Amino acid sequence: NAGVTQTPKFRVLKTGQSMTLLCAQDMNHEYMYWYRQDPGMGLRLIHYSVGEGTTAKGEVPDGYNVSRLKKQNFLLGLESAAPSQTSVYFCASTTGTPETQYFGPGTRLLVL
Amino acid sequence: GIQVEQSPPDLILQEGANSTLRCNFSDSVNNLQWFHQNPWGQLINLFYIPSGTKQNGRLSATTVATERYSLLYISSSQTTDSGVYFCAAAKAAGNKLTFGGGTRVLVKP
Repeated sequence: NAGVTQTPKFRVLKTGQSMTLLCAQDMNHEYMYWYRQDPGMGLRLIHYSVGEGTTAKGEVPDGYNVSRLKKQNFLLGLESAAPSQTSVYFCASTTGTPETQYFGPGTRLLVL
Repeated sequence: GIQVEQSPPDLILQEGANSTLRCNFSDSVNNLQWFHQNPWGQLINLFYIPSGTKQNGRLSATTVATERYSLLYISSSQTTDSGVYFCAAAKAAGNKLTFGGGTRVLVKP
């Protein structure tokens, strides 16, 4: 099992550019999440999904969109990147019951 | 939403020392996790512990759900224990974790 993987590992964008971050899990988990971590802080929830075809907003959803077309994949999109979106992005997944969330290795994004 | 607070914010230890990290949360929870973020940024699951006590090697954790706090114990600390320890809690359907601000631990040789 690869667990939770994220692509890419690192990316530099210019203000206004768009990009998509990919999260994939091979544990057949129903729930998937996108978090961001700013320097010196804990993680904050951006969007989440409780099953294929569903998405919902988290604590800091503005400027991001998500899609869950396949159970194993959760995509995070930035339509028009801003310097405030410079952060480390973590994806996580879990089963449908309260249980351990498993995190990917993170994607470092720098917006200039 | 739920509030999660961790203390102390920073901890400097001599190798071999023991320590206790605390996590307070503002509401009843159905998920409480402890993580270690290593110097390379990787988040490592330590414990899933919404209540009770668990041990894993030199680490152990206790959550007293009725009093809304959790403790992480590090015994005989090693330099590899350095990093940031996060507590995260969830209280509702969706299992959406709220993270505390973390405790930054530095273990000196």
